[in-house]
Amino acid sequence: GDSVTQMEGPVTLSEEAFLTINCTYTATGYPSLFWYVQYPGEGLQLLLKATKADDKGSNKGFEATYRKETTSFHLEKGSVQVSDSAVYFCALLNTGNQFYFGTGTSLTVIP
Amino acid sequence: GAVVSQHPSWVICKSGTSVKIECRSLDFQATTMFWYRQFPKQSLMLMATSNEGSKATYEQGVEKDKFLINHASLTLSTLTVTSAHPEDSSFYICSAPNAGGTDTQYFGPGTRLTVL
Repeated sequence: GDSVTQMEGPVTLSEEAFLTINCTYTATGYPSLFWYVQYPGEGLQLLLKATKADDKGSNKGFEATYRKETTSFHLEKGSVQVSDSAVYFCALLNTGNQFYFGTGTSLTVIP
Repeated sequence: GAVVSQHPSWVICKSGTSVKIECRSLDFQATTMFWYRQFPKQSLMLMATSNEGSKATYEQGVEKDKFLINHASLTLSTLTVTSAHPEDSSFYICSAPNAGGTDTQYFGPGTRLTVL
């Protein structure tokens, strides 16, 4: 069945460090791919998305490229800030309109 | 932006009791809402799709009589865990799509259920 595998955390980085959170997926057909972020005490929020192969989603300095050949959608940011501390979820929406989520990766950025 | 709330945020109950969790869309109407369950260090798992004015659609393996869903209005869906047992302890999250379609969801903050 469809599934998402993402890098386990927690991840701790110093401010201005480079961030990569790996995400790979398994799906039939051509899913849409997402990164959601959850700040403490809040609901999941859409961070970025890509709906077809080679699309790059970007928002708030974060980027992820839909790589069909490697079935990946890795999240990157060149310089993280303390305010980026949160839990990040990779997800796919399959052709049956069902969401599948990764387990989430907790990021802590220290000053 | 659109906001989805859940109540309560944390509930502790005795085994055998029933617990109701509310999911509200605060500034938009949602004919469809989704209920998820998350175990520690695991993915969010879709449990059911709540449909206003009709019966909920449950995912395979989810007990309909155990997890009762009622979509009473365009802004409220409730999940009732009936005769809860310790194995039902989990984090329950609801979401509602925006007017543009399913691919953008607004999520509630979640409800942590602990069954003693």
